Amino acid sequence: QITLKESGPSLVKPTETLTLTCTFSGFSLSTREVGVGWLRQPPGKAPEWLALIYWDDDKRYSPSLKSRLSISKDTAKNQVVLTMTNLDPVDSATYYCAHKIPRDYSLDVWGQGTTVTVSS
Amino acid sequence: SFELTQPPSVSVSPGQTANITCSGDKLGQRYVCWYQQKAGQSPVLVIYRDNKRPSGIPERFSGSNSGDTATLTISGTQSMDEAEFYCQAWDSSTLWVFGGGTKLTVL
Repeated sequence: QITLKESGPSLVKPTETLTLTCTFSGFSLSTREVGVGWLRQPPGKAPEWLALIYWDDDKRYSPSLKSRLSISKDTAKNQVVLTMTNLDPVDSATYYCAHKIPRDYSLDVWGQGTTVTVSS
Repeated sequence: SFELTQPPSVSVSPGQTANITCSGDKLGQRYVCWYQQKAGQSPVLVIYRDNKRPSGIPERFSGSNSGDTATLTISGTQSMDEAEFYCQAWDSSTLWVFGGGTKLTVL
């Protein structure tokens, strides 16, 4: 059974850097074609994809946020870390990590999400 | 940039069929998936690769994709199906793209 869980600060000040950790089980990020993605969802809005890392350390970023994002993995710890710099109140949202179906672009299991508020 | 458009809301009576559309340029040439999100919960994948159901998803959920429009069909809609539904596709430039969401109301 695949599970993912996000962790990180719930409150961040403007201009600060946000670091979120996704801890997962039920699969290995060293398995071919496996990927873990990060998404966010402001209240009342659609999910927005942020970044994804593949089993081979290939990394993809949202074009609109690429300059502010960094994604990495620790295969031994079963963790994926997302860093977002220069936060603004508009970055306030629920942040999710999700497992990507191998050889497909859909996300079949999502974490419970972690809510991040950007405020001074 | 590649965009997906969904109607903001769809209403259906219990037991009837609900159709939720998702439109985008030449969408039929891409794989589309659908997520269901109930209030306060994380999104759940209900259809992938246009018409495949993940394990545990009821057979009343089905999908199609042709031309510029993909459609999620819920047959025999139940009150438990009331939720927000999002379509998603992949584009080589924009990468993972989501539609704006459709609120399904079961009256």
